[in-house]
Formats: sequence, structure tokens, C-alpha cells
Amino acid sequence: DTAVSQTPKYLVTQMGNDKSIKCEQNLGHDTMYWYKQDSKKFLKIMFSYNNKELIINETVPNRFSPKSPDKAHLNLHINSLELGDSAVYFCASSQSARGGFDPYEQYFGPGTRLTVT
Amino acid sequence: SQQGEEDPQALSIQEGENATMNCSYKTSINNLQWYRQNSGRGLVHLILIRSNEREKHSGRLRVTLDTSKKSSSLLITASRAADTASYFCATVPRAGNNRKLIWGLGTSLAVNP
Repeated sequence: DTAVSQTPKYLVTQMGNDKSIKCEQNLGHDTMYWYKQDSKKFLKIMFSYNNKELIINETVPNRFSPKSPDKAHLNLHINSLELGDSAVYFCASSQSARGGFDPYEQYFGPGTRLTVT
Repeated sequence: SQQGEEDPQALSIQEGENATMNCSYKTSINNLQWYRQNSGRGLVHLILIRSNEREKHSGRLRVTLDTSKKSSSLLITASRAADTASYFCATVPRAGNNRKLIWGLGTSLAVNP
């Protein structure tokens, strides 16, 4: 009964490659997020979708492209991977307040540890 | 960018002791949330406290919020080895982009058996 799942859990790849990470939530939430957590555990928001609409698009290289085919899925595609992309990527979901986007508690996936060599 | 700040950065205590972590933030908020992250795992939501609330309890957790000082504290009573984790506070700003959480840098708690 995994609430937020991500695949793959580990991803080791070479510089210049293109890779994708997939996320699915079965909580019925309307908002999903991608976060990047670096080696110092700093958590940085990258993107957020509400009902398939992109509502947060932080300063992220355009090599990163999110896609939300439906409310329950949010994928992250990364082109031309660089060493600095090595990190743990977390997907999360939440239910927004009625009439607004105020995020209530977020539910996180287990993370995808990306290593670029 | 705006960030919360937790202190201490690291805390080491003995099982059975209480652990207190503090969080300060910069702007007025709608709510403040605390999360736990065990090593190698995703974050888990612990407590949400709204700006008009001053204190909240959940089991062995007690959270206080002082909006005049823009600070919050998380108290874990009677700590256990299983409480060893990183603890993050996150705020939802009242103004500006209130669609995202503003995260602190976390407190790393070690509870020694």
C-alpha cells in the first residue's frame, strides 16, 4: 500500500546521458512536487504540479523537464546529465486547501539516488 | 532565497532524555510544519501548526509557535534510539508565493542507547 512510490531507487549513469525518474501517488492528492536533496541534506524545491498544471518552476536548468500525465503521476526527465546533478531526488504529494494552493502536509516518496560518473 | 534555520545543527543525547530543536523563520506564515527524515529514507510529516495556534501535541512530540519571535520549537520527550533522524521545519509564507514550503537546513539528532 505504498502511498508515494518512485522508480528507480538507485540510478548510476555517465555524464551526458539522458534519464527519467517516475513517481506515482495513490493518495488522491491534487498536487505533486519534485525536490532535490544535496549531500548536506539541503532540500530544494524544483517543480510542482496542481491538477496537471505547473505551479512552481524554480530556477532549474532547462535540462530538467517535468511531465504530469495525470494527477497521480509526475515524472522527471533529465537531459545531458552533469556531475552536479548527483543527489537524491524526492517526489512528494499533498492536498491543497479548498480555493487555494496552501500546501498542507506533504507525503514523500523513498527517493531516487542519482549518481553521475 | 528565504530559508528557515534550525538550531542546533546537531544534537546528541542519551535514551530517555528530552530533545529540543528550534526553528526560526523570516516572514509571516500561514503554517509551520515539522518533518523527520531517517537515514536513507524520505521525509515523514510529524506536525502542522497554524499561525493562530501556540502549541500542539502528538504523542511524545510537542510543538510551540511564537509568531512574534518568528520561531518554533519541537520537543521530543523520553527519547528512544528510533528517534535518531534529521528533523526539518518548513513554513508556508503568508504573502508572496505561498504555494511552496520554505525548508530549514535540519537538525541531526542522535539518541544513544
